[in-house]
Amino acid sequence: GAGVSQSPSNKVTEKGKDVELRCDPISGHTALYWYRQSLGQGLEFLIYFQGNSAPDKSGLPSDRFSAERTGGSVSTLTIQRTQQEDSAVYLCASSLRVPGQGATDTQYFGPGTRLTVL
Amino acid sequence: AQTVTQSQPEMSVQEAETVTLSCTYDTSESDYYLFWYKQPPSRQMILVIRQEAYKQQNATENRFSVNFQKAAKSFSLKISDSQLGDAAMYFCAYRSLYGITGNQFYFGTGTSLTVIP
Repeated sequence: GAGVSQSPSNKVTEKGKDVELRCDPISGHTALYWYRQSLGQGLEFLIYFQGNSAPDKSGLPSDRFSAERTGGSVSTLTIQRTQQEDSAVYLCASSLRVPGQGATDTQYFGPGTRLTVL
Repeated sequence: AQTVTQSQPEMSVQEAETVTLSCTYDTSESDYYLFWYKQPPSRQMILVIRQEAYKQQNATENRFSVNFQKAAKSFSLKISDSQLGDAAMYFCAYRSLYGITGNQFYFGTGTSLTVIP
């Protein structure tokens, strides 16, 4: 597809269960970002991948959150032992960021996954 | 840390009229980017307009324009000739140009815009 896709669109889970959220970036985009959008809030940065470099995990709220990016393309955000406060929309974005040229890239966002923890 | 403030949780505008959404930010940096994103009910964030801090000229994109006041740290969005399709949540965002903080955006809490037919 032409844009960033995310799956599932909606996920309902029970407290304590693990969930995996998937992001398919735009083909050829080197950078991938995950954000969390809680109800009535702006976006909160979670993690950033750039090529084969070590990811910037500075935004992950706890060690229950992890993410990986396989083959420099698809990314999976995993939340272990989900809590009710994890309920939010999780947005993924990708870009053609060139290392060393600063943050001049334009991010293209996916439609997000709405996670509800009961 | 940088902060972005949108003091108008909700705004409304009559179709074909003009509306201005406010945004202020706090930073000690001299080089950065500012953005306005639109988020319709489909949830997909769409870039509306971008402003580089080193440019004095205000950015424009068709019916959308900004009033960038660097000294006042103000970045408002003006929508002219409002259309029904403009109804959405609008987010103001800040991004550093360099360094690890350039990996992330700092977003405001958003302004919900209603367009009245």
